[in-house]
Amino acid sequence: RKEVEQDPGPFNVPEGATVAFNCTYSNSASQSFFWYRQDCRKEPKLLMSVYSSGNEDGRFTAQLNRASQYISLLIRDSKLSDSATYLCVVGFSGNTPLVFGKGTRLSVIA
Amino acid sequence: DGGITQSPKYLFRKEGQNVTLSCEQNLNHDAMYWYRQDPGQGLRLIYYSQIVNDFQKGDIAEGYSVSREKKESFPLTVTSAQKNPTAFYLCASSPVRNTEAFFGQGTRLTVV
Repeated sequence: RKEVEQDPGPFNVPEGATVAFNCTYSNSASQSFFWYRQDCRKEPKLLMSVYSSGNEDGRFTAQLNRASQYISLLIRDSKLSDSATYLCVVGFSGNTPLVFGKGTRLSVIA
Repeated sequence: DGGITQSPKYLFRKEGQNVTLSCEQNLNHDAMYWYRQDPGQGLRLIYYSQIVNDFQKGDIAEGYSVSREKKESFPLTVTSAQKNPTAFYLCASSPVRNTEAFFGQGTRLTVV
C-alpha cells in the first residue's frame, strides 16, 4: 500500500519563528517528492520539488532521507503569509499517480 | 496564458441530477486527474488519465464517470449514484505521470 503520512497540526507559531514539518512515506520504491501549499478554499500550488541532495528556495529548505523514508520542510523567519496547509506529495513507481498526504496546517501569529 | 481552467467555480444541483464539471488545459500535458476534497480533509483521487482515450479509476470512482476524447479536456460527470456529492472538486494535469501536477481553481459542487 502506498501511503504518505503527515502530522495534521495545527502548528501555531509566532512571526519570525522557524518551523519544521516531517512527512513519512510507506514504499521505498518512490521516485519523486514535492511539497505543495494550499490556502483555505483554494487549489494546491507547488511550493518546491525535493531532491536527494536537499534543496533551498529562500526561506524554505526541503530534505529527503530515503533510508528512513521521510521528507522534511523547514521554514525560517515565518511570515503571516506563510499560514496555509502544507501537503507532502510522493510519486511511487508503478502505474499510480502522485499520492498526497492529508496536509499539515500552519498558522503564523503576529 | 497557459494553465488549467475549471468551470464553473460554483455549482448547485438538485439531488438525483447528473452534473458535468469541465476541465481544460493548454499546457500540452499528457496526464490529467480528478480529485475530491471534503472540508478539513485531504485530496482523494477519483479518476486519472495518462493518454487520450484511456483512463483509470482512482480510490473513490463509484458514482463518477469521465472521458478523455481530447488531450486538452477531461470532464467529470457526477452521477445520481454518488451518495454524497457535495464537495470541492479539483482537476490537475502533469507532463507525464509522477512529475509535478498543476491544479485548476476547483469547482465547489453543492447538491441540495
